[in-house]
Amino acid sequence: NAGVIQTPRHKVTGKGQEATLWCEPISGHSAVFWYRQTIVQGLEFLTYFRNQAPIDDSGMPKERFSAQMPNQSHSTLKIQSTQPQDSAVYLCASSFPGLGSYEQYFGPGTRLTVL
Amino acid sequence: GDQVEQSPSALSLHEGTGSALRCNFTTTMRAVQWFRKNSRGSLINLFYLASGTKENGRLKSAFDSKERYSTLHIRDAQLEDSGTYFCAAEAASSGSWQLIFGSGTQLTVMP
Repeated sequence: NAGVIQTPRHKVTGKGQEATLWCEPISGHSAVFWYRQTIVQGLEFLTYFRNQAPIDDSGMPKERFSAQMPNQSHSTLKIQSTQPQDSAVYLCASSFPGLGSYEQYFGPGTRLTVL
Repeated sequence: GDQVEQSPSALSLHEGTGSALRCNFTTTMRAVQWFRKNSRGSLINLFYLASGTKENGRLKSAFDSKERYSTLHIRDAQLEDSGTYFCAAEAASSGSWQLIFGSGTQLTVMP
């Protein structure tokens, strides 16, 4: 089991460019979560999917951020017109909500730097 | 406001000693997870608790939903235990499974 896979591990974009981050959940896990980590805000929730359907996007910035899960094997987080304040480590997690446990397992993260 | 208050923010221990980290919750939580951030920056799962206590080696965790807290006890600390520890919890009032994270405890184990 390779765990949650995130690509790329590092991404540098110029201000105004688009960034797409990829996440491959653990095989068989039906829930996928996105979080963001910054020095100032700490770890904060963005959005999550269950069985590929968007369930809660309450943490997503209203503009420029979108997430999709086109199939059970990957999810993407897209940031349009990136701004320096978008610089952060973006973490993906997956969970198999069986037997009443919703334990989340995290990937290594993608460090996004917006110049 | 902050729903997960983690303390202390930093902790220094000598090898062989022990201590406890604590998370207090401002609302009722359904479950709690404890993580350690490893040297590569990845979050390593330590415990998942919906109630009661769990123990794994030199680590022991407890979660009391009614009293709104969770603890992580470390005994016989080793140098490799150094790192940042996070608690994270699921709010019972929301139907969401999102984790709300504490701000972390930077643990340094000294020879």
